Amino acid sequence: GESVGLHLPTLSVQEGDNSIINCAYSNSASDYFIWYKQESGKGPQFIIDIRSNMDKRQGQRVTVLLNKTVKHLSLQIAATQPGDSAVYFCAENRNTGFQKLVFGTGTRLLVSP
Amino acid sequence: DTGVSQDPRHKITKRGQNVTFRCDPISEHNRLYWYRQTLGQGPEFLTYFQNEAQLEKSRLLSDRFSAERPKGSFSTLEIQRTEQGDSAMYLCASSRATSDRVGKNIQYFGAGTRLSVL
Repeated sequence: GESVGLHLPTLSVQEGDNSIINCAYSNSASDYFIWYKQESGKGPQFIIDIRSNMDKRQGQRVTVLLNKTVKHLSLQIAATQPGDSAVYFCAENRNTGFQKLVFGTGTRLLVSP
Repeated sequence: DTGVSQDPRHKITKRGQNVTFRCDPISEHNRLYWYRQTLGQGPEFLTYFQNEAQLEKSRLLSDRFSAERPKGSFSTLEIQRTEQGDSAMYLCASSRATSDRVGKNIQYFGAGTRLSVL
């Protein structure tokens, strides 16, 4: 079946380090991807998105890379801060008239000072 | 606050009771979504509205679940005869329809309603 999964359930980094969170997806028809951050007790918060016609997109301190050949997505966070500690989800959307997002199980990022 | 608003934030109920949750989307968004999230998992899609029309429903949405969006603004999700397996976080999201062929579908989420069925 279709799935969006993550390689590492927990990632621990030191403050100031760069973090890389990975995501594998299985549906080659997916053409739009989003990264969300979810803090405890809150709903998912949009971080950055990328369309399938791109392989890289940058935001403020974040970069998303898309490799369609191996169906892999990554989120890079530069100069990680304690406030970045949260669970990160990648989600896929197939813009074929279906509006649902398919989420993976998430990676917990722990940032220690 | 102009974000997605959900009410109540927490609901504790006994098995067999009915519960109803409310979602108020971002005001200019015509699309509204319901998701369910259990501990340690990503959100799972339940259903989607464009304006007042319910256009897509997941197989997760059993006959005990019903969602409405009567005026194309707020939405309600009702669960009848609740079961312990219904315990979860129910998330609402909204987005704006786009005209792009490969359109953006940024969904903005509320804080959710956490349901505990005893």
